[in-house]
Amino acid sequence: GESVGLHLPTLSVQEGDNSIINCAYSNSASDYFIWYKQESGKGPQFIIDIRSNMDKRQGQRVTVLLNKTVKHLSLQIAATQPGDSAVYFCARLITLKLIFGTGTRLQVFP
Amino acid sequence: GAGVSQSPRYKVAKRGQDVALRCDPISGHVSLFWYQQALGQGPEFLTYFQNEAQLDKSGLPSDRFFAERPEGSVSTLKIQRTQQEDSAVYLCASSPAGTGGGQPQHFGDGTRLSIL
Repeated sequence: GESVGLHLPTLSVQEGDNSIINCAYSNSASDYFIWYKQESGKGPQFIIDIRSNMDKRQGQRVTVLLNKTVKHLSLQIAATQPGDSAVYFCARLITLKLIFGTGTRLQVFP
Repeated sequence: GAGVSQSPRYKVAKRGQDVALRCDPISGHVSLFWYQQALGQGPEFLTYFQNEAQLDKSGLPSDRFFAERPEGSVSTLKIQRTQQEDSAVYLCASSPAGTGGGQPQHFGDGTRLSIL
């Protein structure tokens, strides 16, 4: 079916370390994937996207990797900061609607 | 403002009452989406508009849910005869894309609906 799942519900990292958040997806025709960050009491905030014809895309301090062979998506955050603490969702676009996973909570400690 | 605006931010209603939630999308955005987010879960699609046309309402949980976007800008999500299971955060998102997608959807901060 059309689903997006996450490996870990919570990830704790030390400030300054790199964070990696993983996401698995099921077989589908979707070719567009997005990572969102959601802070408490706020709506999801766009971080970075990637299309299925790409394996990697980089933004400011963030990198998204797409492995179509094993249907796996990851978000890497370099030099994690306290402001990065939030819930992170991967989502895929299926006929214009976004299908979200349940999210990974990233906790950054000093 | 520059972002998607939703009102009210919080709404408390008694079971059986009707509620109306408003969304002001980013100016010029063609596409508008409503999502429902239960506590601890990811958002789930409810419905989609392209301009004033409601092209997909497959996610609406029941006929008590109704959405409109009469002039292709502001949208209202109405829930009739509310029930406790309707308690959730209702998120609105907009995108400049029409059919074909491929552009990120930008979300408002949502309306937190609590049904007593």
